[in-house]
Amino acid sequence: QSALTQPPSASGSPGQSVTISCTGTSSDVGGYNYVSWYQQHPGKGPKLIIYEVTKRPSGVPDRFSGSKSGNTASLTVSGLQAEDEADYYCSSFAGSSNVFGTGTKVTVL
Amino acid sequence: EMQVLESGGGLVQPGGSLRLSCAASGFTFSSYAMSWVRQAPGKGLEWVSTVSGTAIATYYTDSVKGRFTVSRDNSPNTLHLQMNRLRVEDTATYYCARGFVWFDLWGPGTLVTVSS
Repeated sequence: QSALTQPPSASGSPGQSVTISCTGTSSDVGGYNYVSWYQQHPGKGPKLIIYEVTKRPSGVPDRFSGSKSGNTASLTVSGLQAEDEADYYCSSFAGSSNVFGTGTKVTVL
Repeated sequence: EMQVLESGGGLVQPGGSLRLSCAASGFTFSSYAMSWVRQAPGKGLEWVSTVSGTAIATYYTDSVKGRFTVSRDNSPNTLHLQMNRLRVEDTATYYCARGFVWFDLWGPGTLVTVSS
């Protein structure tokens, strides 16, 4: 149950795009199409923004998109806005457990 | 409005016990698996435990197996986490979350501090 690997930080100017990677193994990310992504602002609980690799819950802007190739999933935030500055975590179902990523702090320059 | 709200956090000495609760409302509680996810101060999220909608199946991360017990009452709609033999490294904000494969509803969390 090792944490999925994410880059510690990412940044971009308003209007630009940023992509965050999430690397696991064939037992989690590569084995299931159940990767999800969460946004967490300081002092707040996490919010689901992507589930089942590519799906967005109602109310989540289409600026957020997800993908997966092999054991690595990715989250892309297009058209960066100031309110997108937050911590982002990936997560993968792993059969009889769930595992989160190490987290990425996104800074809007 | 769908919501979940945790309670029961606090300060406890190493080796002690604490029972967390999560009150759910606004959705059919028994239709969903429910989970506990924790976050140590300044650290990332860690899945802790999940109980199925019928409470037949339970799942735990390795570090809490044998010490923590997850349970639920589907009437009223409450999730519990009994934490025994607490360790300093269990210090974290504990979140109640709906789901197992993904988590689509989260509470504000309750802080558990294990310290002498």
